[in-house]
Amino acid sequence: DSGVTQTPKHLITATGQRVTLRCSPRSGDLSVYWYQQSLDQGLQFLIQYYNGEERAKGNILERFSAQQFPDLHSELNLSSLELGDSALYFCASSVAPLLAGGQDTQYFGPGTRLTVL
Amino acid sequence: AQSVTQLDSHVSVSEGTPVLLRCNYSSSYSPSLFWYVQHPNKGLQLLLKYTSAATLVKGINGFEAEFKKSETSFHLTKPSAHMSDAAEYFCVVTDSGNTGKLIFGQGTTLQVKP
Repeated sequence: DSGVTQTPKHLITATGQRVTLRCSPRSGDLSVYWYQQSLDQGLQFLIQYYNGEERAKGNILERFSAQQFPDLHSELNLSSLELGDSALYFCASSVAPLLAGGQDTQYFGPGTRLTVL
Repeated sequence: AQSVTQLDSHVSVSEGTPVLLRCNYSSSYSPSLFWYVQHPNKGLQLLLKYTSAATLVKGINGFEAEFKKSETSFHLTKPSAHMSDAAEYFCVVTDSGNTGKLIFGQGTTLQVKP
């Protein structure tokens, strides 16, 4: 158990709908990352937050958004869902990005499997 | 830009024989490198990491990897495969810049035959 929790574990919805995925980082971790794992794209970085502020963006669609709250949990919002959005969405956390001493290790949650029908 | 290439999409070994999963990286600076493992229907678990302290890195479950700068490689090895090692393995490099963003290889599926 990495200490990172994600809810829900599974989500089945229809095209055009909106969903929210939730992530709670490990205790003490300030940075949260979201990744998407799909069969055709592999594992791809979506977005990163550090202590409530957006830190970096990857291949995140405009239909997707995220935020990190004062208690450091994060939510990933996916809207106008398409069939191609079906994937496993991972959240990871770390103490802070690229600190000395190897504290940039990211610990991953179990993921949320999204199925869009 | 940083990138990783896992040279084999699928590796099959017999139980008790050595495991070698190959990874080459490309980086314009001294990267941090990781190997993560993903068992079926599970999340990603950190096996080991390299952060410039020592070129030979020991990880969990008997795995180790050697950082070779001259060859830009970070191959994962294990002397003796166990059935429970069957999983997907990802070689990962940190992106440049002060973000910690991870760049994943395409993954290598390790099959262990009895």
